[in-house]
Amino acid sequence: GQSLEQPSEVTAVEGAIVQINCTYQTSGFYGLSWYQQHDGGAPTFLSYNALDGLEETGRFSSFLSRSDSYGYLLLQELQMKDSASYFCAVRDGANNLFFGTGTRLTVIP
Amino acid sequence: DADVTQTPRNRITKTGKRIMLECSQTKGHDRMYWYRQDPGLGLRLIYYSFDVKDINKGEISDGYSVSRQAQAKFSLSLESAIPNQTALYFCATSDAGQGNTGELFFGEGSRLTVL
Repeated sequence: GQSLEQPSEVTAVEGAIVQINCTYQTSGFYGLSWYQQHDGGAPTFLSYNALDGLEETGRFSSFLSRSDSYGYLLLQELQMKDSASYFCAVRDGANNLFFGTGTRLTVIP
Repeated sequence: DADVTQTPRNRITKTGKRIMLECSQTKGHDRMYWYRQDPGLGLRLIYYSFDVKDINKGEISDGYSVSRQAQAKFSLSLESAIPNQTALYFCATSDAGQGNTGELFFGEGSRLTVL
């Protein structure tokens, strides 16, 4: 089976940098994804790491260490609109995604 | 129009009733999924389908059934709804192409309340 852990809540100041960690245990691993979900909305894809290292997409970066079963999402230059829930998800060999319980990010002025 | 459309968006029903949630997509993806979201539990996979003739159970399939009527349509049924099936349900699609990220495209969700 799959098990993912991430912090339940994070608060950060507008303009700052925040890191959301994710550790996982899985019987089959092909990659780690991150999704953003605003209140009342649908999850939307942010990033995907299949190999170790850092992937950068604008203000968002995602990191993976397969040997440590660990990844993180880094959000820079935080904006108020970044307040949302962020989910890590592991992709198994059948291309299914299993999600963590989510981290609620609150950005304060 | 949305690429992944779910109906109904909201539904209140009573215990024991049969409920169907429908999903249609215009993305041309072969793979479709049903997830359930509960507060504090994230999204959990109920069923998934890789094509019209391929249906698979996910983590929490008990009490649910699905039908893949066409490539573009995937419906979720609760044969006899119970209160602990009160949740937000999401349909999603993905592209089966090699080397892809496995990115899921979600519908807007169907909020189901079972009294």
